[in-house]
Amino acid sequence: DQQVKQNSPSLSVQEGRISILNCDYTNSMFDYFLWYKKYPAEGPTFLISISSIKDKNEDGRFTVFLNKSAKHLSLHIVPSQPGDSAVYFCAASAQGFQKLVFGTGTRLLVSP
Amino acid sequence: SAVISQKPSRDICQRGTSLTIQCQVDSQVTMMFWYRQQPGQSLTLIATANQGSEATYESGFVIDKFPISRPNLTFSTLTVSNLSPEDSSIYLCSVASAGNTEAFFGQGTRLTVV
Repeated sequence: DQQVKQNSPSLSVQEGRISILNCDYTNSMFDYFLWYKKYPAEGPTFLISISSIKDKNEDGRFTVFLNKSAKHLSLHIVPSQPGDSAVYFCAASAQGFQKLVFGTGTRLLVSP
Repeated sequence: SAVISQKPSRDICQRGTSLTIQCQVDSQVTMMFWYRQQPGQSLTLIATANQGSEATYESGFVIDKFPISRPNLTFSTLTVSNLSPEDSSIYLCSVASAGNTEAFFGQGTRLTVV
């Protein structure tokens, strides 16, 4: 049973445009959500997180939106840059940061 | 953020052998975790490495197959025992500390079993 789902395996965006990556979850106990970026041959790098008590968190070009009623979150990257090309994982936890359940990832390609 | 050194970065092992992966952190951390990423799959938590006591394993993972040690607050090892081709994956160490909102990952160990 996949508790965290990223239904788009890939996304292509032009440089300067907005990238929107989506994530859905099924476990109502999740109270903390994170986004990680992963380059080949490297471990995941933390990008941004959001607590279930908020519906938006912003950090520079990255904004995460949480819709608890729909059990949906999204990551917006504006403006997108070629260096953003990577696999993005959504993760969720029911115990703060301690044990993460990951989605299957979305490969983002930002073309010049 | 914590700096995590994971060794080896990759290895090719024969069936039936074992591989021990080391995870060293540059500062004391509260929590250490081991994850597995099978080809084309998501990251799956194997276990929580507990300092000075037995690791806490997730459903589907057992100590005989994945023995874990954590002798102190900065170091842990994961052994993948009795290797089979199905164990070919990326294994990742992750750390977190109380009061922090994110977990950090090592660069991973790519294991290929032949």
